[in-house]
Amino acid sequence: EPEVTQTPSHQVTQMGQEVILRCVPISNHLYFYWYRQILGQKVEFLVSFYNNEISEKSEIFDDQFSVERPDGSNFTLKIRSTKLEDSAMYFCASVSGRGSTDTQYFGPGTRLTVL
Amino acid sequence: AQSVTQLGSHVSVSEGALVLLRCNYSSSVPPYLFWYVQYPNQGLQLLLKYTTGATLVKGINGFEAEFKKSETSFHLTKPSAHMSDAAEYFCAVSLIQGAQKLVFGQGTRLTINP
Repeated sequence: EPEVTQTPSHQVTQMGQEVILRCVPISNHLYFYWYRQILGQKVEFLVSFYNNEISEKSEIFDDQFSVERPDGSNFTLKIRSTKLEDSAMYFCASVSGRGSTDTQYFGPGTRLTVL
Repeated sequence: AQSVTQLGSHVSVSEGALVLLRCNYSSSVPPYLFWYVQYPNQGLQLLLKYTTGATLVKGINGFEAEFKKSETSFHLTKPSAHMSDAAEYFCAVSLIQGAQKLVFGQGTRLTINP
């Protein structure tokens, strides 16, 4: 069964450093998302991406964040200068976008720890 | 704006007992509703979803949920808990299924006692 994959599973970085989180969505899907979950809190929407541009973003998704689909398979989330409060689990998701019964499929997540 | 409230951050039941996880939502338009499960060190897996039609929805692993518009609820149930059901459960809502973001509740951790 097709699945969303994410790398790395765990990323440790120093405050102020740039990080890139990688996702490979399901191959024929058209919509892509990033969510995050700070430890002990709810899963929060960050950004959605369609047709090579951001379709919606949350207040969390400020100028320090960017997303890119550099090729036909990868979908990346970049944090330019990490802060302690960026420590969280980051989930990528994708959706076919072709039908009325679409489901968002989630990857296993990347745990980001900012020291 | 949409919101989701899950009553009880932790629920503990005995093996074989009824599982009831509560979810209430707030939405200005008819919502689409979802339950996801997260096992330790894994991603979010869809258990079931309500879009339109029958209000009682059956999902994987014997779970089901009923959409009650008058109560703005979408509670998750399973008649008989199994040890393998121990996980974190998330209720979520979206306005338009598929293309729109999901708004999640805070999650309920289900523990199964032998």
